[in-house]
Amino acid sequence: DTAVSQTPKYLVTQMGNDKSIKCEQNLGHDTMYWYKQDSKKFLKIMFSYNNKELIINETVPNRFSPKSPDKAHLNLHINSLELGDSAVYFCASSEPGLEVNEQFFGPGTRLTVL
Amino acid sequence: QQPVQSPQAVILREGEDAVINCSSSKALYSVHWYRQKHGEAPVFLMILLKGGEQKGHEKISASFNEKKQQSSLYLTASQLSYSGTYFCGTEKGGSQGNLIFGKGTKLSVKP
Repeated sequence: DTAVSQTPKYLVTQMGNDKSIKCEQNLGHDTMYWYKQDSKKFLKIMFSYNNKELIINETVPNRFSPKSPDKAHLNLHINSLELGDSAVYFCASSEPGLEVNEQFFGPGTRLTVL
Repeated sequence: QQPVQSPQAVILREGEDAVINCSSSKALYSVHWYRQKHGEAPVFLMILLKGGEQKGHEKISASFNEKKQQSSLYLTASQLSYSGTYFCGTEKGGSQGNLIFGKGTKLSVKP
């Protein structure tokens, strides 16, 4: 059983296009996250939702818009894609309030903007 | 504040030991350690919350100094499966889950 899943695994698109990445978790966690990992492997948090509400919004261009239809899903929509958006995007989830706040990551979506 | 990891990379032979450090000029709320194998997602190793704490996970253990400004990850008798990039993270502003990661340490274990 996949705990955190993302689709698609690979996404190749042209500059200026709009694309979405979907994430689902079946762990029953209340909190979900989006991370961006660039070509230098730097892993940076973008957003966090707790039970469908946005709680963390790091300095991310407003071309990126997360949407959480329910607490098991957190999608990422990106408008007007730019070359610099090329990266691996990871979704993650965790259960807040626990002393050991382990985050479970999805397999990642490799986005390539041409 | 982003924690600073050292070294950036290390190459070992199977059976050798390694230490990866994670430090900050200010006290950290906590330290989270993750390992990411090539082409895979990061996987949680352990979290340290208290100054002076030490934790173990098979042959991988970690410590958090009393001032909570440095954590070290110890890999003993390394195995090929230990290869990957190790990240330490800390909770930004004490906000649970809002992890800010170091730049990672790439560990390569050779036969």
